[in-house]
Amino acid sequence: AQSVTQLGSHVSVSEGALVLLRCNYSSSVPPYLFWYVQYPNQGLQLLLKYTTGATLVKGINGFEAEFKKSETSFHLTKPSAHMSDAAEYFCAVIQGGSEKLVFGKGTKLTV
Amino acid sequence: DVKVTQSSRYLVKRTGEKVFLECVQDMDHENMFWYRQDPGLGLRLIYFSYDVKMKEKGDIPEGYSVSREKKERFSLILESASTNQTSMYLCASSRQGLAYGYTFGSGTRLTVV
Repeated sequence: AQSVTQLGSHVSVSEGALVLLRCNYSSSVPPYLFWYVQYPNQGLQLLLKYTTGATLVKGINGFEAEFKKSETSFHLTKPSAHMSDAAEYFCAVIQGGSEKLVFGKGTKLTV
Repeated sequence: DVKVTQSSRYLVKRTGEKVFLECVQDMDHENMFWYRQDPGLGLRLIYFSYDVKMKEKGDIPEGYSVSREKKERFSLILESASTNQTSMYLCASSRQGLAYGYTFGSGTRLTVV
């Protein structure tokens, strides 16, 4: 079964510093991978997704993620953190044989 | 933009009450989902529907049921609310196909007292 591990439930960075949120997945089929962001008291918003093609994916708000098959990773980065980036971030993978997303437990980013 | 609308942002109900959480999407999506979100546990799938009148159990269906009589509306029903169902409930929809992500509603924070 597909699963997602997000390393670090809480990450704290200074404004202007690099943001790195880690996500590792397990999947028996070529994965479709997603990052979502949740601001306080709101639903989840799609940041970016990897389906096929280029392994470096750019998303909204200056975020990007790189799919590395050999490392089964899909880490999220942003070169320079802004206070408005403070939120919870979720990595997700499509469950094989279905259209259901399996989510990681989330990483709360403090800036 | 696709909109997923959940009828209530905050809800307080008594133990044993039957509770209805409503979700409506306006972009003709085939798939609809109900998740609950709890601190430290992330999002857990309760039920999933890929067509009108079709439903599939997710990871934690116990104590819940769903109804999808129209394509745009997906209701979550707590048959007899209990305090351990106090949670944030999130509805989502998507087009059929693996490459599409979900669009989420703003969530309903349910407190059962």
